[in-house]
Amino acid sequence: SQWGEENLQALSIQEGEDVTMNCSYKTYTTVVQWYRQKSGKGPAQLILIRSNEREKRSGRLRATLDTSSQSSSLSITGTLATDTAVYFCATDASAGNKLTFGIGTRVLVRP
Amino acid sequence: EAAVTQSPRNKVTVTGGNVTLSCRQTNSHNYMYWYRQDTGHGLRLIHYSYGAGNLQIGDVPDGYKATRTTQEDFFLLLELASPSQTSLYFCASSDPGYSAETLYFGSGTRLTVL
Repeated sequence: SQWGEENLQALSIQEGEDVTMNCSYKTYTTVVQWYRQKSGKGPAQLILIRSNEREKRSGRLRATLDTSSQSSSLSITGTLATDTAVYFCATDASAGNKLTFGIGTRVLVRP
Repeated sequence: EAAVTQSPRNKVTVTGGNVTLSCRQTNSHNYMYWYRQDTGHGLRLIHYSYGAGNLQIGDVPDGYKATRTTQEDFFLLLELASPSQTSLYFCASSDPGYSAETLYFGSGTRLTVL
C-alpha cells in the first residue's frame, strides 16, 4: 500500500489479469481520489470516492473506501498494456482545498 | 477538459541561478497549484493560489516564490537555485464551482540544477 515513508510499490502483471492497489491515509478526508500518471505525462484523475460512499465503479475501475480503517483500494479488471502507469491516491486531509498525494504504486502490464 | 500548459518542458541551470517556471490554464479555473515530484516522495505541494494576486503557502515552500499574475497564469520562481531543487515540477488547476476536488495537471517541467 502507499503512504508516508514507504517505498514506491511496484507490481508486474500479465495483460488480462486483475490488479488491486491499496492506500491508507492518516486523517479524516471527505474524498479519496485516484490518479494515474503515464510516462512523461502529468497525473490524471481516474475516480473520486466520497466519505459517504463505500464503493465507486467506472468502467474497468472499482474504488473502495473504508473510513473506519482510513484506507482505500483501486482495482482494475482485465488489465491492458495501456494501463501501465503509476497510480496515486490523494486525500483532502489538509485544509484549504489542498490535496495530499500518496507516493504511488507502479503497475507494469506485460502484453 | 481543462488545458494546463507548462513551459519550458526541460530546464538546466547552475547552482545559484535564477529560474522561472511558467504555467497557463485556459479554463478559467480559480485555483492553481505548483507541485514537485521526487522518487519516494510522490507529489508535494509548493504553493497554490485562489486567484490573481493571491498566494498560499504549501507544504514544501522553502526556496520557492510564486506569483499569480492573472487568472490564467501562475509562475514559480527559484531565485537561488540549489541542487536539492532538481525535480519534476507540475502545475495544476481546479475549479471549486464545478468539481472542487479534481486537479487538472500540466505535462511537467523537468528542472536540473547542476
